Amino acid sequence: AQSVTQLGSHVSVSEGALVLLRCNYSSSVPPYLFWYVQYPNQGLQLLLKYTSAATLVKGINGFEAEFKKSETSFHLTKPSAHMSDAAEYFCAVSDGGFKTIFGAGTRLFVKA
Amino acid sequence: SQTIHQWPATLVQPVGSPLSLECTVEGTSNPNLYWYRQAAGRGLQLLFYSVGIGQISSEVPQNLSASRPQDRQFILSSKKLLLSDSGFYLCAWTLAAGNTEAFFGQGTRLTVV
Repeated sequence: AQSVTQLGSHVSVSEGALVLLRCNYSSSVPPYLFWYVQYPNQGLQLLLKYTSAATLVKGINGFEAEFKKSETSFHLTKPSAHMSDAAEYFCAVSDGGFKTIFGAGTRLFVKA
Repeated sequence: SQTIHQWPATLVQPVGSPLSLECTVEGTSNPNLYWYRQAAGRGLQLLFYSVGIGQISSEVPQNLSASRPQDRQFILSSKKLLLSDSGFYLCAWTLAAGNTEAFFGQGTRLTVV
């Protein structure tokens, strides 16, 4: 069975500071991993995905994530936060089948 | 390009009333279709998915049902709503299996009163 754990339901950073959102996964097979972003009252939008190519994945809006098999982690980072990054972020895992398991989400607050 | 439409955006329904939420996809054929429910602090819960017309897989026993009468149409229904059915419902589609991106609708905020 697969699972995803996002550490921290809320993260607050200052504008211009590093953003780090943590995600750990559990999977019995090589996983496919995703980060999605959700703005208020909207659907989710893909930020980036890992599909066993490069371990460092670059996504939209300056975000990137690194797949670390030994740590079963897929943390999301951005060097410099912008006010427009304030949103909820979801980590997700799939074994390649029809079901994708989503984490509980991390709400990112950006302070001016 | 592909688009996904989900309606209504908001809905307030009394307990015991029926429910019908509709989702349609344009610009692609034979998508995999999904219904999720989102509760605050609990992420997305997969309710149903469908890999073809008339094929519905249920993930969570509950007061809801789903149907796929056409290739690109996915409907979420209930005969009698419960207070616990309140939440944010999201429709999504993928082109293939789980190694591909999911595209989400804008969601429906359902409040059962």
